[in-house]
Amino acid sequence: AQSVTQLGSHVSVSEGALVLLRCNYSSSVPPYLFWYVQYPNQGLQLLLKYTSAATLVKGINGFEAEFKKSETSFHLTKPSAHMSDAAEYFCAVSETDSWGKLQFGAGTQVVVTP
Amino acid sequence: EAQVTQNPRYLITVTGKKLTVTCSQNMNHEYMSWYRQDPGLGLRQIYYSMNVEVTDKGDVPEGYKVSRKEKRNFPLILESPSPNQTSLYFCASSLFTNNEQFFGPGTRLTVL
Repeated sequence: AQSVTQLGSHVSVSEGALVLLRCNYSSSVPPYLFWYVQYPNQGLQLLLKYTSAATLVKGINGFEAEFKKSETSFHLTKPSAHMSDAAEYFCAVSETDSWGKLQFGAGTQVVVTP
Repeated sequence: EAQVTQNPRYLITVTGKKLTVTCSQNMNHEYMSWYRQDPGLGLRQIYYSMNVEVTDKGDVPEGYKVSRKEKRNFPLILESPSPNQTSLYFCASSLFTNNEQFFGPGTRLTVL
């Protein structure tokens, strides 16, 4: 069965510093990959997705992620953190034959300090 | 405005009292799904539906029922809620499978 591992349940980053959130997946074939963000008391919002096109994917709010097949990774980055980036981030995977079923990681809570 | 709505947003109930959480989308999406979110576990899929009258189990279906009689609605039914079903529930929909899923605002359920 597909699994998704997010390294670090909590990440603290200074305003203006690099944001790096790690995601590794287990799959024998390249899946569809997603990053979602959840702001307090809200639903999930799609940040970006990889669907076998370019390996470097740009998303909203200055985030991007790189698909590395050899490392089975899909890490999320943002060069300069803003206070508004404080939220919980989820990596999710969907296999091409799984009828859209998303397998989520446990999530990473990002705290941004002034 | 394109959206997924859920009702109620908050619900406190007692063990064994049947309840329904409604989900509706106005985007004409074929695919709909229910997830529960628990701390440290991320989101886990309960049930999904690929179209009207087509539903299937996700990873954690025990204790839940769903129905899809209309394309826009996908209610989640707890026939006999138990305390271990205390959780945050999300409904989601998408136009095609493996495409972006749009999430509702969530329903926080507490079963005493």
